[in-house]
Amino acid sequence: GNSVTQMEGPVTLSEEAFLTINCTYTATGYPSLFWYVQYPGEGLQLLLKATKADDKGSNKGFEATYRKETTSFHLEKGSVQVSDSAVYFCALTAWMDSSYKLIFGSGTRLLVRP
Amino acid sequence: DGGITQSPKYLFRKEGQNVTLSCEQNLNHDAMYWYRQDPGQGLRLIYYSQIVNDFQKGDIAEGYSVSREKKESFPLTVTSAQKNPTAFYLCASSPRGVADTQYFGPGTRLTVL
Repeated sequence: GNSVTQMEGPVTLSEEAFLTINCTYTATGYPSLFWYVQYPGEGLQLLLKATKADDKGSNKGFEATYRKETTSFHLEKGSVQVSDSAVYFCALTAWMDSSYKLIFGSGTRLLVRP
Repeated sequence: DGGITQSPKYLFRKEGQNVTLSCEQNLNHDAMYWYRQDPGQGLRLIYYSQIVNDFQKGDIAEGYSVSREKKESFPLTVTSAQKNPTAFYLCASSPRGVADTQYFGPGTRLTVL
């Protein structure tokens, strides 16, 4: 079936450290891939997306590359800030039950310490 | 500013009462969605609507109902039949359908006492 698997958190880093949050997926066809971010007590904000293999999505210093050969879409940032502390969700669109669905991973909490 | 609004931000209800959560968007999006989020978990789809006067059940529709009388509005009613209604509810919209990028509102935290 279609699913998204993210690394479990929390991920705790010091400010200016390098960030990687792993995301792998299982899907039929050619899904679009997304990273959303959720700050405490708020809704989800789209961080970046990629719609086909080898596309790189980027925004606010975050990047992720759509890797079809490894079915991955890992999120990276070269230097994190305290303000990046949030929960990050990887997601894909998949054709299921006669319609497209947005399938989410369980989320990875990032805590950045000063 | 264009966006999605949900009200109220916090809602408390007694067990056995129905409650309606509001979702409004001024993005001129065709499709709207309701998700439920429980602590430490991802989002689960409750209902979605791709056009006015039409909606479909998601993965966890039991105990919920919706209406889509206007393009801008997609209210969710949590009925007394929902066995565990305490959760964070998120509304989203997208330009045409689920294959498009979805944009989310700020959420409503419902607590049933």
